[in-house]
Amino acid sequence: KAGVTQTPRYLIKTRGQQVTLSCSPISGHRSVSWYQQTPGQGLQFLFEYFSETQRNKGNFPGRFSGRQFSNSRSEMNVSTLELGDSALYLCASSLLYITDTQYFGPGTRLTVL
Amino acid sequence: KQEVTQIPAALSVPEGENLVLNCSFTDSAIYNLQWFRQDPGKGLTSLLLIQSSQREQTSGRLNASLDKSSGRSTLYIAASQPGDSATYLCAVRQVHGAGSYQLTFGKGTKLSVIP
Repeated sequence: KAGVTQTPRYLIKTRGQQVTLSCSPISGHRSVSWYQQTPGQGLQFLFEYFSETQRNKGNFPGRFSGRQFSNSRSEMNVSTLELGDSALYLCASSLLYITDTQYFGPGTRLTVL
Repeated sequence: KQEVTQIPAALSVPEGENLVLNCSFTDSAIYNLQWFRQDPGKGLTSLLLIQSSQREQTSGRLNASLDKSSGRSTLYIAASQPGDSATYLCAVRQVHGAGSYQLTFGKGTKLSVIP
């Protein structure tokens, strides 16, 4: 069974631009979560979707948004990029909501210049 | 606000040694706790998931315990191998508000197993 895939793997943008990251969960998984990882802050929770509905949201500004499609694939969007948005963005999927093991993708490395 | 602490931040052991990694959390009202490993530049690999009603979980050479009342979890690795070298993270799932659950991660323990 294929794992969680994320595209693109690497991205370079400039301040003020917008970016969209994509995540395809493991087949059959209906829950998708997004995380930001930086050396200073570690792993921080962004949001979680289950059955196309955002169920949980972390403490990030409204510039960070996401959505989940009917096939469980998810996209994350960051508008008006700032230098501090440079990070590894990780997506995770799970079969069930809350109670189940999370399986992570390899991440998208975003660099904002 | 939940805080998850992992001590030590880094650990170096000789191959073959048994070791324990620690994770503590400030709010004991958790739903579950999960241990992960992360290799440099890679995503996370799930190791063990412990539900709040459980005391421990085992997988191969790994054993994780959970003491909710004291806000602690440990990950025991038996007979360590160089391939175990990675950063180990624990994460707790908790109620964050009405109908909302949040996953909070520790900063991790970087383990080096010396051949």
